[in-house]
Amino acid sequence: DIQMTQSPASLSASLDEIVTITCQASLDIGNWLAWYQQKPGKSPQLLIYGATSLADGVPSRFSGSRSGTQYSLKISKLQVEDTGIYYCLQHYSAPWTFGGGTKLELK
Amino acid sequence: QVKLLQSGAALVKPGDSVKMSCKASGYTFTDYIIHWVKQSHGKSLEWIGYINPYSGGTNYNEKFKSKATLTVDKSSSTAYMEFSRLTSEDSAIYYCARGVTDYFDYWGQGVMVTVSS
Repeated sequence: DIQMTQSPASLSASLDEIVTITCQASLDIGNWLAWYQQKPGKSPQLLIYGATSLADGVPSRFSGSRSGTQYSLKISKLQVEDTGIYYCLQHYSAPWTFGGGTKLELK
Repeated sequence: QVKLLQSGAALVKPGDSVKMSCKASGYTFTDYIIHWVKQSHGKSLEWIGYINPYSGGTNYNEKFKSKATLTVDKSSSTAYMEFSRLTSEDSAIYYCARGVTDYFDYWGQGVMVTVSS
């Protein structure tokens, strides 16, 4: 199975701060990576697909990038509504696998 | 708009089975795969498998192959997952999600399954 190592596990940041979350894939998955945000008691919501494409309705302060087998989700100016848990998902090959999650809180 | 409406929470006894549903609306049901995902309390997400509503074809995570059975009813645009021989390890929230180019764009609200005697 492809392992997705996500870091950090938790993160505390201030309003308007730049936040970066990363996922390291255990092998080359190309651009077959998506990012999700999950709020407490809710289902995950799609943020980024194809490693870099912004999903419909997602604010432009969110962006995705790739460097080799490392993938990053960047929030350019953290807002109150951005708190939650973020997950990456590789959909290059079955079984699809998720990162362990990053809990993002406001400082 | 696209919606995936899942069935309600379930309390089941160890050794029993549970069958949950995922009713799709707002799109052509047979045009998109339905995935199922497990989220144990406070933990990350695990992919269980998917079903192609058009063909009925399935693909399971080996970990859940003997545990989960995926089916669909095209006439009602509903996907089902049956989980068998339940143990406390199966207590979790289970989501269905629509697959597009293999990632998930829309998710159901989740079904909480509690396994307890």
